[in-house]
Amino acid sequence: DQQVKQNSPSLSVQEGRISILNCDYTNSMFDYFLWYKKYPAEGPTFLISISSIKDKNEDGRFTVFLNKSAKHLSLHIVPSQPGDSAVYFCAASYGGATNKLIFGTGTLLAVQP
Amino acid sequence: DARVTQTPRHKVTEMGQEVTMRCQPILGHNTVFWYRQTMMQGLELLAYFRNRAPLDDSGMPKDRFSAEMPDATLATLKIQPSEPRDSAVYFCASGLGDYHTDTQYFGPGTRLTVL
Repeated sequence: DQQVKQNSPSLSVQEGRISILNCDYTNSMFDYFLWYKKYPAEGPTFLISISSIKDKNEDGRFTVFLNKSAKHLSLHIVPSQPGDSAVYFCAASYGGATNKLIFGTGTLLAVQP
Repeated sequence: DARVTQTPRHKVTEMGQEVTMRCQPILGHNTVFWYRQTMMQGLELLAYFRNRAPLDDSGMPKDRFSAEMPDATLATLKIQPSEPRDSAVYFCASGLGDYHTDTQYFGPGTRLTVL
């Protein structure tokens, strides 16, 4: 049973436009959410995170929004750049003294020049 | 530039053979994770160590998979016997702490193909 779901396997956007990647979760015990970015032949790298006590966290071109009532989070990239082309994984954590993460299946973002 | 290293990067083997994947976590990190990436499941957690002790291996098929940390600089994941369905990319990650906000740092992965 997938507790963290990324229903869009792929997304294509034009350079300079906004990229919106979505993620849904089913477990209301999750209280910390993260996005990881993965280039081909490399391991995932941490991108941005958000605690359940917030509804928005911003870091440069990247903003993560959390809607707890809908159990939904999204990652906005503005403006999108060709170097952003990668697989983006959403992950969730139960919090507390454990950093066990539950990952989604990933979304492949292609930013067209 | 500290990073997690994994060997081998690629492994092709025949069904029934033993496979051993190795990971060197970042020096000073006390948590180590093994993940498997598949198209259908994304990144699945196989095993989780804290201070070399296994904390969670509920995601690992117990009959054929085993994970160990012989010392603080080496983590191993073994599959015996291997099966074609084990073909995937296996990632090791390490973290400085075991609080939920501590970042996990991933290695480049081992791409395993079982024929």
